[in-house]
Amino acid sequence: ETGVTQSPTHLIKTRGQQVTLRCSSQSGHNTVSWYQQALGQGPQFIFQYYREEENGRGNFPPRFSGLQFPNYSSELNVNALELDDSALYLCASSTGASGTQETQYFGPGTRLLVL
Amino acid sequence: GQQVMQIPQYQHVQEGEDFTTYCNSSTTLSNIQWYKQRPGGHPVFLIQLVKSGEVKKQKRLTFQFGEAKKNSSLHITATQTTDVGTYFCAPQGCQIVNFNKFYFGSGTKLNVKP
Repeated sequence: ETGVTQSPTHLIKTRGQQVTLRCSSQSGHNTVSWYQQALGQGPQFIFQYYREEENGRGNFPPRFSGLQFPNYSSELNVNALELDDSALYLCASSTGASGTQETQYFGPGTRLLVL
Repeated sequence: GQQVMQIPQYQHVQEGEDFTTYCNSSTTLSNIQWYKQRPGGHPVFLIQLVKSGEVKKQKRLTFQFGEAKKNSSLHITATQTTDVGTYFCAPQGCQIVNFNKFYFGSGTKLNVKP
């Protein structure tokens, strides 16, 4: 167990809807990264938050947005869902300072299905 | 942008055989991490390599970082059924534009037949 939790575990939405996924980081970690993992693919970096500020972003459109709270938990919001958004969404927490690739501890993920 | 290729995509071995996966980058890397993901699970950190030419061992696993810091490999000696899973490399680039972006390779899926 990594101490990183995610909710919900599974979610079914329809095209055009909005979704919020949540992540509680491991105690003592101030950095959270979000990834999208399609079936049979590697995790794709969405963005990272460090001390409540976005600290890097992958090639995802603006309808993917996030927040990090003072307790370092985090949310991933996706607006206007598309069928291709169906995937496993992983969050990973770490202790890293800005710009350092520290060991990332992954949560179990949220499996999103868009119909 | 940074391009990472991981090969092979799949590997089926008999228990006891060796296994190697390679991660190749088009650009020089700052460091590289390796993760293992069991079927239905989430990625679990294995190791981080930072220095040019670095070699690290964990029991039957040997990790190498190339001299030019553009490629890396993971070698498993005498595979066991517990080694089944997908192995991902996660390189971090040196370029400022890529430094805060974290890429995973496409992974090598290992199946071990008992």
